[in-house]
Amino acid sequence: GAGVSQSPSNKVTEKGKDVELRCDPISGHTALYWYRQSLGQGLEFLIYFQGNSAPDKSGLPSDRFSAERTGGSVSTLTIQRTQQEDSAVYLCASSPEGGRGEQYFGPGTRLTVT
Amino acid sequence: RKEVEQDPGPFNVPEGATVAFNCTYSNSASQSFFWYRQDCRKEPKLLMSVYSSGNEDGRFTAQLNRASQYISLLIRDSKLSDSATYLCVVKGISNYQLIWGAGTKLIIKP
Repeated sequence: GAGVSQSPSNKVTEKGKDVELRCDPISGHTALYWYRQSLGQGLEFLIYFQGNSAPDKSGLPSDRFSAERTGGSVSTLTIQRTQQEDSAVYLCASSPEGGRGEQYFGPGTRLTVT
Repeated sequence: RKEVEQDPGPFNVPEGATVAFNCTYSNSASQSFFWYRQDCRKEPKLLMSVYSSGNEDGRFTAQLNRASQYISLLIRDSKLSDSATYLCVVKGISNYQLIWGAGTKLIIKP
């Protein structure tokens, strides 16, 4: 079946612009995670959605970052007024339910802020 | 101290050799542990879970040492296709958060 998809695969934007990243999880997966990975670093947790529960936004690095998940499926991560330090790969993962160690990742969006 | 620490490597290993690397974690209350594999410029994929009694999957063996708070991954008869970064993952305090190590890079040479 179809895996997790993300778009765009690459995004180059100018400092100060807003960007929107999209994630399409595996159908039926109730848990959805956003991570950020900088070069040579581990994954940094950003936000977690589980079903209709309130998301855990504790990993969002600043109020310029926000995310939503519509209808329990597609999720968008928005970064406002991008900064150069926002440059990274943004990975989305889904899981059949929260609390599972097995997460299925999308290919990521490589964001470059110039 | 980082919650999950790994030797970044790279480990340069000849094909057919056995290689092992460890990962240490800081939270003694952690209950679940995993190894993920990440190929260059690709997404992470689950390699194996790590059970208290240790577990094996083909050429791969994972061990957990709770007393010393580390997990290990051993790869026997290494193949060129094993070249990747291996990420150590520990379940955090919350029921759903995973804490990720920065990874150990493995290069298998012919």
